[in-house]
Amino acid sequence: QSALTQPASVSGSPGQSITISCTGTSSDVGSYNLVSWYQQHPGKAPKLMIYEGSKRPSGVSNRFSGSKSGNTASLTISGLQAEDEADYYCCSYAGSSTVFGGGTKLTVL
Amino acid sequence: QLQLQESGSGLVKPSQTLSLTCAVSGGSISSGGYSWSWIRQPPGKGLEWIGYIYHSGSTYYNPSLKSRVTISVDRSKNQFSLKLSSVTAADTAVYYCARGMDTAMAFDYWGQGTLVTVSS
Repeated sequence: QSALTQPASVSGSPGQSITISCTGTSSDVGSYNLVSWYQQHPGKAPKLMIYEGSKRPSGVSNRFSGSKSGNTASLTISGLQAEDEADYYCCSYAGSSTVFGGGTKLTVL
Repeated sequence: QLQLQESGSGLVKPSQTLSLTCAVSGGSISSGGYSWSWIRQPPGKGLEWIGYIYHSGSTYYNPSLKSRVTISVDRSKNQFSLKLSSVTAADTAVYYCARGMDTAMAFDYWGQGTLVTVSS
């Protein structure tokens, strides 16, 4: 299994919106509505932000939203805030296994 | 509040076996609807799924690591473990344990992570 493809970096100014893409194949992202997204600050464990493509766990801001089209999933963060600066990873079920994306570094300018 | 805590050797010699344990508190590892996973992150790199064990005892492993990995559960101690054999420097990483939601296949609770270095 190959890692899902994410852009290495994205950036945006406070208040703006950004979108991070996550491209897989018909064996993972395209076949299952089981994409999750994780936020990771330096030196910390990842935190679940989105699951089942678009659902938010309790306590996660509604500024975070997820979607999917074909083999590509997306994470959108609206109203960017300084504390959103972190690494973001997508993850997909792939039939008896799980695969992560390579990660995207979000910089808030 | 569920908590997970990794423990084990932080330094392993090449060709030896890496062994880690994840102690679960605030909930039972035998609860249905969840899996128990190991995920690792080499320094400066991304996350890699290692494998998980379901409450039924079924295990699933990353195909690239399958020949070297064993995940097991000790229900009496409410913990689960990872063994990775024949390690090399490429296995140096922060190792995380995490709880997975069965139907969502997402990891909702994570341990703080433990750095394992493979070096002679």
